[in-house]
Amino acid sequence: AQSVTQLGSHVSVSEGALVLLRCNYSSSVPPYLFWYVQYPNQGLQLLLKYTTGATLVKGINGFEAEFKKSETSFHLTKPSAHMSDAAEYFCAVSGGSQGNLIFGKGTKLSVKP
Amino acid sequence: EAEVAQSPRYKITEKSQAVAFWCDPISGHATLYWYRQILGQGPELLVQFQDESVVDDSQLPKDRFSAERLKGVDSTLKIQPAELGDSAMYLCASSFQQGVSYNEQFFGPGTRLTVL
Repeated sequence: AQSVTQLGSHVSVSEGALVLLRCNYSSSVPPYLFWYVQYPNQGLQLLLKYTTGATLVKGINGFEAEFKKSETSFHLTKPSAHMSDAAEYFCAVSGGSQGNLIFGKGTKLSVKP
Repeated sequence: EAEVAQSPRYKITEKSQAVAFWCDPISGHATLYWYRQILGQGPELLVQFQDESVVDDSQLPKDRFSAERLKGVDSTLKIQPAELGDSAMYLCASSFQQGVSYNEQFFGPGTRLTVL
């Protein structure tokens, strides 16, 4: 069985500060890991994904994430927060035969001016 | 840019009524997913189609929910009768190929259902 735990349902940072959103996963098979962003009343948009190869993955809008197998983590970072980054972020794992995504409960990011 | 289309965007209904949601995936995407997202939580899979066939509906409350994808293109999700606990965002997603776990799923804008 696979699962995702996102630490912190709400994170608040100042504009220009580092963004760190935490994600830990559990998977009995080699995981594929994803970060999605959701703006209010909208669908989810893929930020980045880890499949194989390089463990540091770069995504859109300046975000990146590092896959750490020993820590079963896939934390999302951005060096400098922008007001437009305020949204909800979901970490997800996939590894089943059907390609299903298992999502975490999400972390709402607020950016203060 | 190709997008997943969903309608309606918002639906308000009274309990015990029937509701239906429509999804048109990205052209050429064989796999279609319906998710339910309760406020403050992540999406949870309700049903997955490969072409016109259901490949996973283990989390679909079949006493009141039904889903179809008759021609393997667009899909309809129905709830009858609606209950207060069905209030949620219903998201449709599609991907190019089934069984490929690293395939990106593309999401539509969702239908926000409110049951009064």
